[in-house]
Amino acid sequence: GNSVTQMEGPVTLSEEAFLTINCTYTATGYPSLFWYVQYPGEGLQLLLKATKADDKGSNKGFEATYRKETTSFHLEKGSVQVSDSAVYFCALSGGGADGLTFGKGTHLIIQP
Amino acid sequence: GAVVSQHPSRVICKSGTSVKIECRSLDFQATTMFWYRQFPKQSLMLMATSNEGSKATYEQGVEKDKFLINHASLTLSTLTVTSAHPEDSSFYICSAPLGNQPQHFGDGTRLSIL
Repeated sequence: GNSVTQMEGPVTLSEEAFLTINCTYTATGYPSLFWYVQYPGEGLQLLLKATKADDKGSNKGFEATYRKETTSFHLEKGSVQVSDSAVYFCALSGGGADGLTFGKGTHLIIQP
Repeated sequence: GAVVSQHPSRVICKSGTSVKIECRSLDFQATTMFWYRQFPKQSLMLMATSNEGSKATYEQGVEKDKFLINHASLTLSTLTVTSAHPEDSSFYICSAPLGNQPQHFGDGTRLSIL
């Protein structure tokens, strides 16, 4: 079956630091890959996505590249802000009719 | 704006009560909706796939008699937690795909059983 493994937190960084949150996956076929963000007390929001190998998803300064050879989709940001503090979930989908498989989430804390 | 509306956002009730949670797609039709459960500081786990006009598909380990799902129309799916107990306390989230777009999530329902 499908599975997603992401680094566990909490990850604590200072403002303007470089961020990497690792995510690797196991799936049959060619899944689509996503990063979702959950701010305190809120629901999930799509941060970025990639639907095929070598695609790069980007949004709000965050980037992730779909690496089929390493089955990875690591999330990066060059300079984090306090407002980026949230829980980040890596997820995959086998297709439109499939539910998402989520990683366990990484709690990111950015200190001023 | 929100494309999936979930109601209520929070429920607190006594043990033994049945609780219904609604998930609505706004301005689009959803033949399929998904229900997830999130324990504190844990990931979201897919519970079931709600199918309009047919029975829901439950994930392994999810009791279908405990978590009743009804996809009443192309814009509404309901999850009823029957005879809820404290161990059912959790954050329940629904989602719906819109065309080929990624799933859109509701804001979730925090269920607390006393």
